[in-house]
Amino acid sequence: AQKVTQAQTEISVVEKEDVTLDCVYETRDTTYYLFWYKQPPSGELVFLIRRNSFDEQNEISGRYSWNFQKSTSSFNFTITASQVVDSAVYFCALSGLFSGGYNKLIFGAGTRLAVHP
Amino acid sequence: GAGVSQTPSNKVTEKGKYVELRCDPISGHTALYWYRQSLGQGPEFLIYFQGTGAADDSGLPNDRFFAVRPEGSVSTLKIQRTERGDSAVYLCASSRGLAGGKGQETQYFGPGTRLLVL
Repeated sequence: AQKVTQAQTEISVVEKEDVTLDCVYETRDTTYYLFWYKQPPSGELVFLIRRNSFDEQNEISGRYSWNFQKSTSSFNFTITASQVVDSAVYFCALSGLFSGGYNKLIFGAGTRLAVHP
Repeated sequence: GAGVSQTPSNKVTEKGKYVELRCDPISGHTALYWYRQSLGQGPEFLIYFQGTGAADDSGLPNDRFFAVRPEGSVSTLKIQRTERGDSAVYLCASSRGLAGGKGQETQYFGPGTRLLVL
């Protein structure tokens, strides 16, 4: 089965703390794509990153970093020195040929992050 | 440039009524997607258009749901005989459409239409 699991339903941190959001996926595909999206209270899903299954390099973008580990089927997201504006629901998603096609994103249930001043 | 826009932002209707939800994709994007997001859940795929045609409608839950994109730009999601279980946020996304379904493209989402069926 093609599936994305975000085991952390809610995380609460104090500003400036580092926080890691976990994402574990299951797929039969050898070629697949992984994504992270942010959904602030306004409701719009904001694209953060896309990674294909052949590129296991970790990525850093400002305070954001992503750790892709094929061996454990995980694609974790870390926010360094969190800020109140990071408060949102974060979704991990998967797409692949056997996951219904590259155009169908399969989302996890999301992790709600609350950053307090 | 402008992002994906959706109207209305909120829709309240009564059980059994018909509703239409509109999506205006990013200019030049030929691929368009509809998803449904129930409270506390991640979005679930409904349908994907490449141009005017529905390339994949496998996520539509039943025949009360239908979507069109007659000119390859704006799309309308139509729900007949609405039920309380249809209450959700309906999200639209678009992408450039260059991959033609053979590869992944980043999908850019609109703000959604929050549908409440009483």
